[in-house]
Amino acid sequence: DSGVTQTPKHLITATGQRVTLRCSPRSGDLSVYWYQQSLDQGLQFLIQYYNGEERAKGNILERFSAQQFPDLHSELNLSSLELGDSALYFCASNSGGTGFTDTQYFGPGTRLTVL
Amino acid sequence: AQKITQTQPGMFVQEKEAVTLDCTYDTSDQSYGLFWYKQPSSGEMIFLIYQGSYDEQNATEGRYSLNFQKARKSANLVISASQLGDSAMYFCAMRETKGTYKYIFGTGTRLKVLA
Repeated sequence: DSGVTQTPKHLITATGQRVTLRCSPRSGDLSVYWYQQSLDQGLQFLIQYYNGEERAKGNILERFSAQQFPDLHSELNLSSLELGDSALYFCASNSGGTGFTDTQYFGPGTRLTVL
Repeated sequence: AQKITQTQPGMFVQEKEAVTLDCTYDTSDQSYGLFWYKQPSSGEMIFLIYQGSYDEQNATEGRYSLNFQKARKSANLVISASQLGDSAMYFCAMRETKGTYKYIFGTGTRLKVLA
C-alpha cells in the first residue's frame, strides 16, 4: 500500500457525461500528479499540483481540469467524455521538493470506461 | 530535454532465472535520479528501486538490483531468481531536475515469467 488513495476504483459512464476522480496524497506529501494510461500504452502526464497551485501541465485536454484543495486532496474533472477517454487514471504524490531523489508513489488508479 | 528509452517491448524468462531489463537515459545534468516501477496485470504502479547519479554503489532491493553504468547512461534492472509473480510491465523513469521537476517515463517492457 503506497499510502495514496484514489476513488472510485472503477467508473462506467456514457459519452458526453462528466465525471470527477478523487485523490488523496500520502501523509506529508504536498505534490500531486495526474497521469492517463490508455490500453497497453505508457503513462501520459496530465498535470501536477504543489500545495494547491498548478506547477506543471502536460498533454491535458481542454475538456479536462483539475485542482488541489487546502487539505491537499486533488480532483480531476473530465467532461464531454468521448470513447477515447477510456483509460486508467493514476494519481501520484511526492513531497514536492525539487531534489532528484524525491520518489513518486502511485495510487491504485481509477479505471474509466466510456460507453 | 531528458529522455528515457526502453528498447525491449517484451521479454521472456524461465522461472528461477535472472533477467535484465534495459533502460538508457539522456540528460545533460550531473545530478539526477532514476526509478523503476512495476505494473502487474491488476494495474497498480509499484515503486521498486531508485538509483541516484552520485551513488557509488548499485542500488539493491531484495531480488531487484540496478546495473548502473553512468558513462553509458544506462540503468538496467536486474531481477534475480524470477518468480511467476514477476510477470508484469516494468517502467523506467527519471525526474527532471529543472523547470517543472516532472517525471519522464519510458515506454515500458512487458516481462513474462515461464513456469
